[in-house]
Amino acid sequence: DTAVSQTPKYLVTQMGNDKSIKCEQNLGHDTMYWYKQDSKKFLKIMFSYNNKELIINETVPNRFSPKSPDKAHLNLHINSLELGDSAVYFCAAGGDRGSPLHFGNGTRLTVT
Amino acid sequence: GESVGLHLPTLSVQEGDNSIINCAYSNSASDYFIWYKQESGKGPQFIIDIRSNMDKRQGQRVTVLLNKTVKHLSLQIAATQPGDSAVYFCAEIGKNAGGTSYGKLTFGQGTILTVHP
Repeated sequence: DTAVSQTPKYLVTQMGNDKSIKCEQNLGHDTMYWYKQDSKKFLKIMFSYNNKELIINETVPNRFSPKSPDKAHLNLHINSLELGDSAVYFCAAGGDRGSPLHFGNGTRLTVT
Repeated sequence: GESVGLHLPTLSVQEGDNSIINCAYSNSASDYFIWYKQESGKGPQFIIDIRSNMDKRQGQRVTVLLNKTVKHLSLQIAATQPGDSAVYFCAEIGKNAGGTSYGKLTFGQGTILTVHP
């Protein structure tokens, strides 16, 4: 069983479109995250949800809207996609009570 | 501000050698440190962690050393194998202002480890 799974793995779309990335975890953690990895491999946190409640929002444009229907799911919706949104987006779960984060395998978003 | 950085962006070793990857951090309030391995096309994978009340922790072929005096973290890989080739990240996390739960995990730049057969 995949602990943290995200779909799709690849997403190619045109500027101005709206797209969503889905994430599910079966680890039972209360906290889930979205990270963005740029072309230089730098990983930066975007959002964190704890038990469906937003707890971290790192100066991400309003075009990005996370949604957590339940504590096992954290989806990322992006409106009006821009070229600079091209990156790999990682979902993660964990960090509760000082535990490590477990990451999904990423979604490579390419905006043309 | 908080930051975690690495001294060397690339490291090339021969199979069987020991590897050492270094990391410096600036947030003295950090109390939990993690090393991750990222292979091509995959997400970061947990290797080993250490809390600030320890200075050394060993796993299978890996050892993490923490020097809080100089805010330095290192990952040692014994008998490095070609399968160890990947990007390695150190990351730190500290308690939030309330001190009751942990805040965000902050990653360093990453070191590319290449193991030659």
